[in-house]
Amino acid sequence: GAGVSQSPSNKVTEKGKDVELRCDPISGHTALYWYRQRLGQGLEFLIYFQGNSAPDKSGLPSDRFSAERTGESVSTLTIQRTQQEDSAVYLCASSPGAGPLNTQYFGPGTRLTVL
Amino acid sequence: QQPVQSPQAVILREGEDAVINCSSSKALYSVHWYRQKHGEAPIFLMILLKGGEQKGHDKISASFNEKKQQSSLYLTASQLSYSGTYFCGTGVSGSARQLTFGSGTQLTVLP
Repeated sequence: GAGVSQSPSNKVTEKGKDVELRCDPISGHTALYWYRQRLGQGLEFLIYFQGNSAPDKSGLPSDRFSAERTGESVSTLTIQRTQQEDSAVYLCASSPGAGPLNTQYFGPGTRLTVL
Repeated sequence: QQPVQSPQAVILREGEDAVINCSSSKALYSVHWYRQKHGEAPIFLMILLKGGEQKGHDKISASFNEKKQQSSLYLTASQLSYSGTYFCGTGVSGSARQLTFGSGTQLTVLP
């Protein structure tokens, strides 16, 4: 079946503008993750959704960042009043369930550039 | 806390072997290995579980030493297609949360 998809693939915005990034997980996957990857860096955890449980937002770097998920489907990551340091690739991943045994399947990412 | 990967980068000739290490300060339940090629999404390679055996597919294998809280990824007779950045993701027992990823090891295989 289809893998994780993300849109847009690239986004260029001006400092101070809001952006919304979208993730479509693999159908049936209950867990969804957002990561940020700065150039040449590792994967920085942002937020995690699991079923109907309250999301784990502990990785969000500031209150400018928020994310929503509708049931077990689409998720959107919103960055308000973007700053240049927000420039990065934002990766979404989904997995069949929660916990440390589940493989995460990554989407292709959204490359965000804040001018 | 983020696991520590070493080396940060390695350059090989095709056919040579490499070892990538991943160490954690926490007691680990699982270690996942991913490979990411430039401009692409990370791809799952394998998972090792506490109490589990060494795993591998093709000429890539890995071990998990629970006592030392570390895992090693072994690439044997490397191929050009092995080039990329390798990340380990560690899972902590009792956490239903996410993996914590290392900063990656950049592997370059030259002809």
